[in-house]
Amino acid sequence: QVQLQESGPGLVNPSQTLSLTCTVSGGSMSINGPYWSWIRQHPGKGLEWIGFIYYTGSAYYNPSLKSRLAISVDTSKNQFSLKLSSVTAADTAVYYCARVRTGTTNYFDYWGQGTLVTVSS
Amino acid sequence: SSELTQDPTVSVALGQTVRITCQGDCLRSNYANWYQQKSGQAPVLVIYAKNNRPSGIPDRFSGSSSGNTASLTITGAQAEDEADYYCNSRDSSGKHVYVFGTGTKVTVL
Repeated sequence: QVQLQESGPGLVNPSQTLSLTCTVSGGSMSINGPYWSWIRQHPGKGLEWIGFIYYTGSAYYNPSLKSRLAISVDTSKNQFSLKLSSVTAADTAVYYCARVRTGTTNYFDYWGQGTLVTVSS
Repeated sequence: SSELTQDPTVSVALGQTVRITCQGDCLRSNYANWYQQKSGQAPVLVIYAKNNRPSGIPDRFSGSSSGNTASLTITGAQAEDEADYYCNSRDSSGKHVYVFGTGTKVTVL
């Protein structure tokens, strides 16, 4: 059973960089080619896809966040990471990491529990 | 980017059938997936690639699609099905861009 766990600061100052890591257990990050994704949910709102990365390092980003976003992967540690720069209060959200199964369509089959990140001074 | 529109709220009597719809141009060329999110919890995949259920998802959940609309049907709704439901698909740009629907709150009466 694949499990994902987000970790990182729960409070970030405005204009700083939000950094989160997702640790994957119970499965390989590269076998059978899943992607690894970040998704966020603003308080009381819907889900927003942030981006995802392949184990090779190829990454795809939400165009609305692309200029501030970097997703990286470290398969030796079974981890992938998110960095979002120049944050504002609008980046306050629960951040989820998820596995992306590929095939006829891509879908998010395993999710972490989520971590709340608040942007505030 | 594409948008996926869902009705904000839907209610269903216990044991009855409810259909949740998701509309968007990207659905004309891409399959929809569906996620259930209970209060305070992470989303759970319930339907993928239009009408496939992951292991452990009850067969009362089914999916369908026609034109620009995808649907999730719960046949014989149970109290534990009360949750928010989100559709998701690939953007119609042809690039690796993914979108979620606006979400539907399902209340089981």
